[in-house]
Amino acid sequence: EVQLLESGGGLVQPGGSLRLSCAASGFTFSSYAMTWVRQAPGKGLEWVSVISRTGGTTYYADSVKGRFTISRDNSKNTLYLQMNSLRAEDTAAYYCAKDSPYCTNDNCFSWVDYWGQGTLVAVSS
Amino acid sequence: DIVMTQSPDSLAVSLGERATINCKSSQSVLSSSGNRNSLAWYQQKPGRPPKVLINWASTRESGVPDRFSGSGSGTDFTLTISSLQAEDVATYYCQQYYSIPLTFGGGTKVEIK
Repeated sequence: EVQLLESGGGLVQPGGSLRLSCAASGFTFSSYAMTWVRQAPGKGLEWVSVISRTGGTTYYADSVKGRFTISRDNSKNTLYLQMNSLRAEDTAAYYCAKDSPYCTNDNCFSWVDYWGQGTLVAVSS
Repeated sequence: DIVMTQSPDSLAVSLGERATINCKSSQSVLSSSGNRNSLAWYQQKPGRPPKVLINWASTRESGVPDRFSGSGSGTDFTLTISSLQAEDVATYYCQQYYSIPLTFGGGTKVEIK
């Protein structure tokens, strides 16, 4: 059974930093691209970032580019999101998600087939 | 960026009746190589993470009831629930995975009339 367990969320002041983690199990972590998606309270879904299977290719939404860094440790089956220079508008539930098996190379994009339960990030003074 | 526009924002349908949700992309998401549309549909129930229903615009994910169907091509897509059940109350999102940034529609909330 695929399981994705996010951690690291919490309350942080504007300008602060947080690092989210996502512990994966139930599948061969190193074989799949991984994605972060966020959802502000009462709002819709926003794609944040994706990382290839090896970690060699990453992409970001313009809203977080230059402030957030996605990474992974395949030896630990863990996905990360380092968030710096946080703003009030970054307040959201952050979901870790596994990409579908469709893509077999780094220049390919696909849908998400499993989601974690999410971790809440609140940016406020 | 490809903008995904869903309509309506919400709809109320009687149990057993058909629900239709529309999704329009600002540019085509049809892959020239595979002749497939890079469009997925997700269902999100209150307090829960989303769940994928449909990929490639019309391919039902394993375990998804056959009352859910996807159609459309190019820029115009539809998710249809043929006979609404109580457990289908949720918000539905379309997403394109044709190009970065991957983008979601704004969501359509489905309720029971």
